[in-house]
Amino acid sequence: GQSLEQPSEVTAVEGAIVQINCTYQTSGFYGLSWYQQHDGGAPTFLSYNALDGLEETGRFSSFLSRSDSYGYLLLQELQMKDSASYFCALSGYNQGGKLIFGQGTELSVKP
Amino acid sequence: KAGVTQTPRYLIKTRGQQVTLSCSPISGHRSVSWYQQTPGQGLQFLFEYFSETQRNKGNFPGRFSGRQFSNSRSEMNVSTLELGDSALYLCASSLSGRGGGETQYFGPGTRLLVL
Repeated sequence: GQSLEQPSEVTAVEGAIVQINCTYQTSGFYGLSWYQQHDGGAPTFLSYNALDGLEETGRFSSFLSRSDSYGYLLLQELQMKDSASYFCALSGYNQGGKLIFGQGTELSVKP
Repeated sequence: KAGVTQTPRYLIKTRGQQVTLSCSPISGHRSVSWYQQTPGQGLQFLFEYFSETQRNKGNFPGRFSGRQFSNSRSEMNVSTLELGDSALYLCASSLSGRGGGETQYFGPGTRLLVL
């Protein structure tokens, strides 16, 4: 099967940089996605890595290393509104739109 | 473009009852996936529909079922409700459901409470 592990909580201060890690176990996959969810609302797509390396989208960057079965989401210039839960998710081969999610990391941004 | 809509937003049922939840995807999207979110189990995949056919199914009992209509709108049904079915039910739509980097757009969810 497929499984993903993330830290349950991370705390950082406004203006800082924070990294949220995701390790996974899978026999094969298309790529690793990251989603943000505020207080039980709709998860929203942040970033996707199909290949090893860094993908940058504004203040958010995501990294993937297939050899290490590891990825991370990097949030820069943290703002209070970044306080939310962040999920990594795998999309598998021949799995259509199915996503396997990690348990999520709750990020608290302090002033 | 309007986003994914789900109805109802909140629902209270009692054990043994059944419930039907509805999801309207973004216009033009043909794939609809359903997820159950609970504090203990996180986001778990229920099933995916594409062109009115169930394409993938998660590890949930047969009490959970769904369908998709020709206009891509989808419904999921839970029969013989149990307390453990209390959760936020999310649907997500995507253009083709090809997976990979294709963005999934989530609705606001239906919060179901089973008493």
